[in-house]
Amino acid sequence: GESVGLHLPTLSVQEGDNSIINCAYSNSASDYFIWYKQESGKGPQFIIDIRSNMDKRQGQRVTVLLNKTVKHLSLQIAATQPGDSAVYFCAESPPDSGAGSYQLTFGKGTKLSVIP
Amino acid sequence: GAGVSQSPRYKVAKRGQDVALRCDPISGHVSLFWYQQALGQGPEFLTYFQNEAQLDKSGLPSDRFFAERPEGSVSTLKIQRTQQEDSAVYLCASSWGLGLAGGQGINEQFFGPGTRLTVL
Repeated sequence: GESVGLHLPTLSVQEGDNSIINCAYSNSASDYFIWYKQESGKGPQFIIDIRSNMDKRQGQRVTVLLNKTVKHLSLQIAATQPGDSAVYFCAESPPDSGAGSYQLTFGKGTKLSVIP
Repeated sequence: GAGVSQSPRYKVAKRGQDVALRCDPISGHVSLFWYQQALGQGPEFLTYFQNEAQLDKSGLPSDRFFAERPEGSVSTLKIQRTQQEDSAVYLCASSWGLGLAGGQGINEQFFGPGTRLTVL
């Protein structure tokens, strides 16, 4: 399949360990953030989201942390599994402008490789 | 149930040719988005439809790019006189909601597998 991971930062972790993927976002006015997982040859898949009025949100095996002071977002994956191997993107959205458009601005992505 | 589908999955064009990329959103989804993803990069927004209305085309890189959604369901992204820099994966996404910033659920964007365009 096609690789979307060329030339991307890579994080290699042992199966069962926790993974932390970081993202610096660009727009201080953004009020909604999402993490996506993209496997080779597939489109991005929603993992977890967070609004700017929160600093932490937990899902199943995943946690997103938001630090608005330094415009930093992180994704923590607990007990990483081989199926977690993919490219991970953070995405941000500005406040609703009223125009009805929901533009997502994606970060550069990080390739996660899980070592069995 | 069926997700977002795109066709063709792969397209090779000679420089100067016109291409048309098709997106079939999830049935009933109001909003439809097109993104361009260069190799090793994140997707970049191209354009947005709410039903048949194209409300935002600010991301289209040039007037060679044109998108339509005439009946508010299937959408076509057309690129005229293709150039090598147009080579990328073109992703389509759809959502139930009107595209207002929101969370998982009504406003979640579901992505198709993309069309990889290679311009020689």
